Amino acid sequence: DAKTTQPPSMDCAEGRAANLPCNHSTISGNEYVYWYRQIHSQGPQYIIHGLKNNETNEMASLIITEDRKSSTLILPHATLRDTAVYYCIVRGILTGGGNKLTFGTGTQLKVEL
Amino acid sequence: KAGVTQTPRYLIKTRGQQVTLSCSPISGHRSVSWYQQTPGQGLQFLFEYFSETQRNKGNFPGRFSGRQFSNSRSEMNVSTLELGDSALYLCASSSGSRVGTEAFFGQGTRLTVV
Repeated sequence: DAKTTQPPSMDCAEGRAANLPCNHSTISGNEYVYWYRQIHSQGPQYIIHGLKNNETNEMASLIITEDRKSSTLILPHATLRDTAVYYCIVRGILTGGGNKLTFGTGTQLKVEL
Repeated sequence: KAGVTQTPRYLIKTRGQQVTLSCSPISGHRSVSWYQQTPGQGLQFLFEYFSETQRNKGNFPGRFSGRQFSNSRSEMNVSTLELGDSALYLCASSSGSRVGTEAFFGQGTRLTVV
Protein backbone atom coordinates (compact mmCIF):
# COMPACT_ATOMS: atom_id res chain seq x y z
CA ASP A 1 0.00 0.00 0.00
CA ALA A 2 1.14 3.53 -0.75
CA LYS A 3 2.59 5.60 2.06
CA THR A 4 0.70 8.66 3.29
CA THR A 5 1.92 11.89 4.86
CA GLN A 6 -0.25 13.96 7.17
CA PRO A 7 0.49 16.94 9.41
CA PRO A 8 0.85 15.77 13.01
CA SER A 9 -1.64 18.26 14.40
CA MET A 10 -4.19 20.89 13.45
CA ASP A 11 -6.52 23.22 15.30
CA CYS A 12 -9.96 24.34 14.24
CA ALA A 13 -12.54 26.68 15.73
CA GLU A 14 -15.89 25.14 16.50
CA GLY A 15 -18.41 25.77 13.74
CA ARG A 16 -15.76 26.30 11.11
CA ALA A 17 -14.76 23.85 8.42
CA ALA A 18 -11.85 21.57 9.22
CA ASN A 19 -9.71 20.72 6.19
CA LEU A 20 -7.34 17.85 6.78
CA PRO A 21 -4.75 17.26 4.05
CA CYS A 22 -3.10 14.00 3.08
CA ASN A 23 -0.31 13.40 0.64
CA HIS A 24 -0.12 10.05 -1.14
CA SER A 25 2.12 10.76 -4.08
CA THR A 26 2.93 7.08 -4.76
CA ILE A 27 -0.68 5.94 -5.00
CA SER A 28 -1.40 3.54 -7.81
CA GLY A 29 -4.44 3.30 -10.01
CA ASN A 30 -6.35 0.66 -8.09
CA GLU A 31 -5.75 2.04 -4.61
CA TYR A 32 -8.49 3.72 -2.62
CA VAL A 33 -8.12 6.57 -0.14
CA TYR A 34 -9.77 5.86 3.20
CA TRP A 35 -10.27 8.11 6.19
CA TYR A 36 -10.79 6.92 9.73
CA ARG A 37 -10.75 8.77 13.00
CA GLN A 38 -10.08 7.65 16.52
CA ILE A 39 -11.42 9.41 19.52
CA HIS A 40 -9.27 8.83 22.56
CA SER A 41 -9.22 5.17 23.66
CA GLN A 42 -12.02 4.13 21.33
CA GLY A 43 -11.86 1.99 18.19
CA PRO A 44 -11.26 3.79 14.90
CA GLN A 45 -14.40 5.02 13.19
CA TYR A 46 -14.83 4.82 9.44
CA ILE A 47 -15.50 8.21 7.86
CA ILE A 48 -15.35 8.00 4.09
CA HIS A 49 -13.43 6.54 1.17
CA GLY A 50 -12.95 7.23 -2.51
CA LEU A 51 -11.08 6.19 -5.61
CA LYS A 52 -11.07 9.08 -8.06
CA ASN A 53 -14.15 11.19 -7.64
CA ASN A 54 -14.98 13.47 -4.77
CA GLU A 55 -17.24 11.86 -2.23
CA THR A 56 -19.64 13.21 0.36
CA ASN A 57 -21.61 11.57 3.14
CA GLU A 58 -23.32 12.71 6.30
CA MET A 59 -20.03 13.01 8.14
CA ALA A 60 -17.62 14.58 5.69
CA SER A 61 -16.48 15.31 2.16
CA LEU A 62 -13.44 13.84 0.48
CA ILE A 63 -11.70 15.82 -2.23
CA ILE A 64 -9.15 13.90 -4.29
CA THR A 65 -6.91 15.82 -6.68
CA GLU A 66 -7.05 14.95 -10.34
CA ASP A 67 -3.63 13.31 -10.26
CA ARG A 68 -4.71 11.46 -7.09
CA LYS A 69 -1.49 12.35 -5.33
CA SER A 70 -3.23 14.13 -2.49
CA SER A 71 -6.61 14.45 -0.86
CA THR A 72 -8.42 16.59 1.68
CA LEU A 73 -10.98 15.51 4.22
CA ILE A 74 -13.46 18.26 4.99
CA LEU A 75 -15.58 18.38 8.12
CA PRO A 76 -17.96 21.19 7.15
CA HIS A 77 -18.94 22.40 10.62
CA ALA A 78 -16.53 21.04 13.19
CA THR A 79 -17.75 20.48 16.75
CA LEU A 80 -15.90 19.66 19.93
CA ARG A 81 -16.89 16.02 19.41
CA ASP A 82 -14.78 15.97 16.24
CA THR A 83 -11.59 16.24 18.29
CA ALA A 84 -9.76 13.05 17.38
CA VAL A 85 -6.82 11.57 15.51
CA TYR A 86 -7.63 11.38 11.80
CA TYR A 87 -5.97 8.71 9.70
CA CYS A 88 -5.60 8.83 5.95
CA ILE A 89 -5.02 5.34 4.55
CA VAL A 90 -4.32 4.21 1.03
CA ARG A 91 -5.54 0.71 0.51
CA GLY A 92 -4.95 -1.51 -2.44
CA ILE A 93 -5.86 -4.98 -3.48
CA LEU A 94 -3.94 -7.66 -1.64
CA THR A 95 -2.79 -10.77 -3.41
CA GLY A 96 -5.47 -13.30 -2.62
CA GLY A 97 -7.84 -10.58 -1.53
CA GLY A 98 -8.25 -9.39 1.99
CA ASN A 99 -8.64 -6.50 4.29
CA LYS A 100 -5.59 -4.85 5.75
CA LEU A 101 -5.38 -1.23 6.82
CA THR A 102 -1.94 0.27 7.28
CA PHE A 103 -2.24 3.13 9.72
CA GLY A 104 0.26 5.95 9.87
CA THR A 105 0.57 8.42 12.71
CA GLY A 106 -2.42 10.51 11.61
CA THR A 107 -3.38 14.11 12.35
CA GLN A 108 -4.49 15.12 15.83
CA LEU A 109 -7.36 17.53 15.22
CA LYS A 110 -8.26 19.74 18.13
CA VAL A 111 -11.54 21.64 17.87
CA GLU A 112 -11.75 24.57 20.22
CA LEU A 113 -14.40 27.05 21.25
CA LYS B 1 -27.86 -3.30 13.55
CA ALA B 2 -25.43 -4.26 16.31
CA GLY B 3 -21.85 -3.17 15.92
CA VAL B 4 -18.64 -5.08 16.46
CA THR B 5 -18.48 -6.50 19.99
CA GLN B 6 -15.24 -7.26 21.74
CA THR B 7 -14.94 -9.01 25.07
CA PRO B 8 -13.64 -8.49 27.61
CA ARG B 9 -13.13 -4.72 27.56
CA TYR B 10 -10.33 -4.80 30.11
CA LEU B 11 -7.95 -7.53 31.17
CA ILE B 12 -4.97 -7.78 33.50
CA LYS B 13 -2.62 -10.71 33.13
CA THR B 14 0.74 -11.74 34.51
CA ARG B 15 3.87 -12.29 32.43
CA GLY B 16 4.05 -15.82 31.11
CA GLN B 17 0.30 -16.37 31.11
CA GLN B 18 -1.81 -16.68 28.01
CA VAL B 19 -4.91 -14.76 27.06
CA THR B 20 -7.84 -15.18 24.68
CA LEU B 21 -9.78 -12.23 23.31
CA SER B 22 -13.09 -12.48 21.52
CA CYS B 23 -14.67 -10.54 18.68
CA SER B 24 -18.20 -10.80 17.32
CA PRO B 25 -18.47 -9.09 13.93
CA ILE B 26 -21.43 -7.28 12.49
CA SER B 27 -24.08 -9.74 11.39
CA GLY B 28 -23.39 -10.91 7.85
CA HIS B 29 -19.76 -9.84 7.86
CA ARG B 30 -17.35 -12.63 7.04
CA SER B 31 -14.03 -10.85 7.42
CA VAL B 32 -12.50 -10.17 10.83
CA SER B 33 -9.17 -8.42 11.25
CA TRP B 34 -7.17 -7.87 14.42
CA TYR B 35 -4.95 -4.90 15.28
CA GLN B 36 -2.66 -4.01 18.13
CA GLN B 37 -2.32 -0.42 19.26
CA THR B 38 0.50 0.78 21.50
CA PRO B 39 1.77 4.30 22.17
CA GLY B 40 5.12 3.47 20.64
CA GLN B 41 4.12 1.52 17.53
CA GLY B 42 0.67 2.90 16.82
CA LEU B 43 -1.95 0.73 15.13
CA GLN B 44 -0.49 -2.44 13.64
CA PHE B 45 -2.20 -5.17 11.69
CA LEU B 46 -2.03 -8.62 13.27
CA PHE B 47 -4.04 -10.89 10.97
CA GLU B 48 -7.26 -11.30 9.08
CA TYR B 49 -9.69 -14.19 8.91
CA PHE B 50 -12.23 -14.75 6.20
CA SER B 51 -14.57 -17.72 6.13
CA GLU B 52 -12.62 -19.45 8.90
CA THR B 53 -9.29 -19.15 7.06
CA GLN B 54 -6.42 -16.86 7.88
CA ARG B 55 -5.96 -14.80 4.78
CA ASN B 56 -3.38 -12.20 5.76
CA LYS B 57 -0.84 -11.96 8.52
CA GLY B 58 1.16 -9.08 9.90
CA ASN B 59 4.66 -9.12 11.28
CA PHE B 60 4.07 -10.53 14.76
CA PRO B 61 5.69 -13.53 16.48
CA GLY B 62 4.01 -16.91 16.56
CA ARG B 63 2.83 -16.27 20.12
CA PHE B 64 -0.01 -14.34 18.51
CA SER B 65 -2.58 -16.59 16.91
CA GLY B 66 -6.21 -16.52 16.03
CA ARG B 67 -9.12 -18.44 14.65
CA GLN B 68 -12.54 -17.86 13.23
CA PHE B 69 -15.64 -19.92 13.76
CA SER B 70 -18.37 -20.84 11.32
CA ASN B 71 -20.56 -18.01 12.64
CA SER B 72 -17.70 -15.56 11.83
CA ARG B 73 -16.91 -14.88 15.47
CA SER B 74 -13.18 -14.71 16.00
CA GLU B 75 -10.76 -15.18 18.84
CA MET B 76 -7.16 -14.21 19.17
CA ASN B 77 -4.76 -15.81 21.57
CA VAL B 78 -1.48 -14.54 22.94
CA SER B 79 0.69 -17.09 24.70
CA THR B 80 3.61 -16.52 27.07
CA LEU B 81 2.65 -12.91 27.66
CA GLU B 82 5.36 -10.26 27.82
CA LEU B 83 5.17 -6.80 29.30
CA GLY B 84 5.36 -5.39 25.78
CA ASP B 85 2.10 -7.09 24.87
CA SER B 86 0.26 -4.52 26.94
CA ALA B 87 -1.89 -2.77 24.37
CA LEU B 88 -5.33 -2.02 23.06
CA TYR B 89 -6.39 -4.90 20.83
CA LEU B 90 -8.93 -3.98 18.20
CA CYS B 91 -10.92 -6.06 15.84
CA ALA B 92 -12.58 -4.90 12.67
CA SER B 93 -15.25 -6.56 10.60
CA SER B 94 -15.96 -6.17 6.95
CA SER B 95 -18.54 -7.59 4.61
CA GLY B 96 -16.08 -9.02 2.14
CA SER B 97 -12.83 -8.81 0.37
CA ARG B 98 -13.45 -6.10 -2.17
CA VAL B 99 -11.01 -3.30 -1.63
CA GLY B 100 -13.78 -0.73 -1.74
CA THR B 101 -15.57 -2.01 1.33
CA GLU B 102 -15.20 -0.35 4.67
CA ALA B 103 -14.13 -1.97 7.93
CA PHE B 104 -15.90 -1.30 11.21
CA PHE B 105 -14.00 -1.46 14.46
CA GLY B 106 -15.01 -2.58 17.91
CA GLN B 107 -14.19 -0.67 21.08
CA GLY B 108 -11.21 -2.85 21.78
CA THR B 109 -9.85 -4.91 24.64
CA ARG B 110 -7.34 -3.14 26.85
CA LEU B 111 -4.77 -5.74 27.94
CA THR B 112 -2.34 -4.95 30.73
CA VAL B 113 0.49 -7.37 31.43
CA VAL B 114 2.12 -7.04 34.84
